Amino acid sequence: GDSVTQMEGPVTLSEEAFLTINCTYTATGYPSLFWYVQYPGEGLQLLLKATKADDKGSNKGFEATYRKETTSFHLEKGSVQVSDSAVYFCALNAGGTSYGKLTFGQGTILTVHP
Amino acid sequence: GAVVSQHPSRVICKSGTSVKIECRSLDFQATTMFWYRQFPKQSLMLMATSNEGSKATYEQGVEKDKFLINHASLTLSTLTVTSAHPEDSSFYICSAYLGNEQFFGPGTRLTVL
Repeated sequence: GDSVTQMEGPVTLSEEAFLTINCTYTATGYPSLFWYVQYPGEGLQLLLKATKADDKGSNKGFEATYRKETTSFHLEKGSVQVSDSAVYFCALNAGGTSYGKLTFGQGTILTVHP
Repeated sequence: GAVVSQHPSRVICKSGTSVKIECRSLDFQATTMFWYRQFPKQSLMLMATSNEGSKATYEQGVEKDKFLINHASLTLSTLTVTSAHPEDSSFYICSAYLGNEQFFGPGTRLTVL
């Protein structure tokens, strides 16, 4: 079945450091890929998405590129801020009969220190 | 826009009682809502897909008689945990589907004593 694997956290960085959170997936067909962020005490919010191979999703300085050849969708940010501290989830939607349904990775806790 | 609320935000109940959790889309209509369960330090696990006016579709391994889902209107879905037990303690999250995107509620922390 479909699955998403994220790098284990927690990840602790200093402000302005470079961030990479790895995400790989297994799916049949051509899934859409997402990164969600969950700030403390809040619900999940869509951070960015990509719907086909080689697409790059970007938002708030975060980027991720849909790599079909490596089945990956790694999240990157060039300079993190304290306000980026949150839990980040990689997810996929396989489409077809699983229309709308999301399969999530295990989440990665990011803590950014001043 | 696209705000989803859940009520209550947290609930504590005794073993054997039933608990109802509401999920509302505040500024849009959603024919499809999803219910997830999140264990500590683990991912969200999809429990069921709730469709307005029809029966919910449950994921494999989720007891439909234990977790009753009702989607009575385009803005409200409810999850009732029947005869709750301590192992049902968890964080329950709903989402509403609109335009190829899911919008998530803030979650409900259920503790069963």
